[in-house]
Amino acid sequence: DAMVIQNPRYQVTQFGKPVTLSCSQTLNHNVMYWYQQKSSQAPKLLFHYYDKDFNNEADTPDNFQSRRPNTSFCFLDIRSPGLGDAAMYLCATSLHGQGYEKLFFGSGTQLSVL
Amino acid sequence: AQSVSQHNHHVILSEAASLELGCNYSYGGTVNLFWYVQYPGQHLQLLLKYFSGDPLVKGIKGFEAEFIKSKFSFNLRKPSVQWSDTAEYFCAVAGRNRDDKIIFGKGTRLHILP
Repeated sequence: DAMVIQNPRYQVTQFGKPVTLSCSQTLNHNVMYWYQQKSSQAPKLLFHYYDKDFNNEADTPDNFQSRRPNTSFCFLDIRSPGLGDAAMYLCATSLHGQGYEKLFFGSGTQLSVL
Repeated sequence: AQSVSQHNHHVILSEAASLELGCNYSYGGTVNLFWYVQYPGQHLQLLLKYFSGDPLVKGIKGFEAEFIKSKFSFNLRKPSVQWSDTAEYFCAVAGRNRDDKIIFGKGTRLHILP
């Protein structure tokens, strides 16, 4: 049973056209993360929510925004996608956000920018 | 700077061969160490982790890893691989505090020949 669900699995957008990726969880975890993963690179943390508290990584471009309307859902908004934003976007959760905790990942959304 | 280095980007082995994937990290302070695995078409999932205690950690599917503090290493091992071990393996490190985020290596693609 999927516990972290990402939709869609593949997303194609046009250069500069806003796009939203979604993530939902059935684990009731406090923390939700968004990672960007490009080919042959490590997953890179963009930001995370601890409950409703938003925590942005210092090097995340302003083009990337996030919303968490409730415990179960979290969205990644890319306001004006560029070619360099084509990547796999991974959503993950953890119970308390402590460093020793296991992360639960979704299957990811592969974003293509035309 | 905090970082994780995985020695091999792509490893090809025959079934029954022994496996060792290298991982070195740079991180100030006490660490938690992880290996995550991503099977083809599936989400990232935890293979094993080290938090404290015995530096030899056993995980699922016959995998183990040894934390060698003096070498800043956490190599993954399996004495006899199977075709089903074909996957991408990510080493990761995190601190012990709530604000310490997990840092991933670039991953090692393991391909097992039947």
